[in-house]
Amino acid sequence: DAKTTQPPSMDCAEGRAANLPCNHSTISGNEYVYWYRQIHSQGPQYIIHGLKNNETNEMASLIITEDRKSSTLILPHATLRDTAVYYCIVRATDKLIFGTGTRLQVFP
Amino acid sequence: GAVVSQHPSRVICKSGTSVKIECRSLDFQATTMFWYRQFPKKSLMLMATSNEGSKATYEQGVEKDKFLINHASLTLSTLTVTSAHPEDSSFYICSARDFRPGSGNTIYFGEGSWLTVV
Repeated sequence: DAKTTQPPSMDCAEGRAANLPCNHSTISGNEYVYWYRQIHSQGPQYIIHGLKNNETNEMASLIITEDRKSSTLILPHATLRDTAVYYCIVRATDKLIFGTGTRLQVFP
Repeated sequence: GAVVSQHPSRVICKSGTSVKIECRSLDFQATTMFWYRQFPKKSLMLMATSNEGSKATYEQGVEKDKFLINHASLTLSTLTVTSAHPEDSSFYICSARDFRPGSGNTIYFGEGSWLTVV
């Protein structure tokens, strides 16, 4: 399974875009990139996932580099409620393995 | 709305007793569900794969006799913590993939269940 590397923490001003990076240099061709977030004392919340192409939904955008070795999750207009731990997971099956994630702090 | 639901959200039990946590897929069938546990300020740790109609598959180091998993129907998996001890106190979370058309085959997680053993 491909290993992911994320910065342990990031800050972002409210209203600004939050760009969360993830490195997955050993990703295989059939492995998807998943992003989840976990707000304190809650189950992980699905954000977005992709294989090769960039993806966008109502929550965020996922930018995957052409070589697929890294990706960036973009929250276009961060709010205080986006403060959470964000997990980038690379996986081909339903059995998701969580790393330590990035703790995003959005400040006023 | 939530597509995977857990019950109870919080439970306190006495040491030595057993406690059951339910994980339900709402409006879709899940032949496979996954159980995780999480300690404070730590990441989620996969415990086992729950397979409908067959035995669960446990991750290395997880005691199968301690954490009984039953996946008796296509929408329900249960985790029973047997002879609970204070060190079993944790946040337990389940997940399942939604294969319905339009769902994007997304993997959803339940809200989690806090277990406190006193």
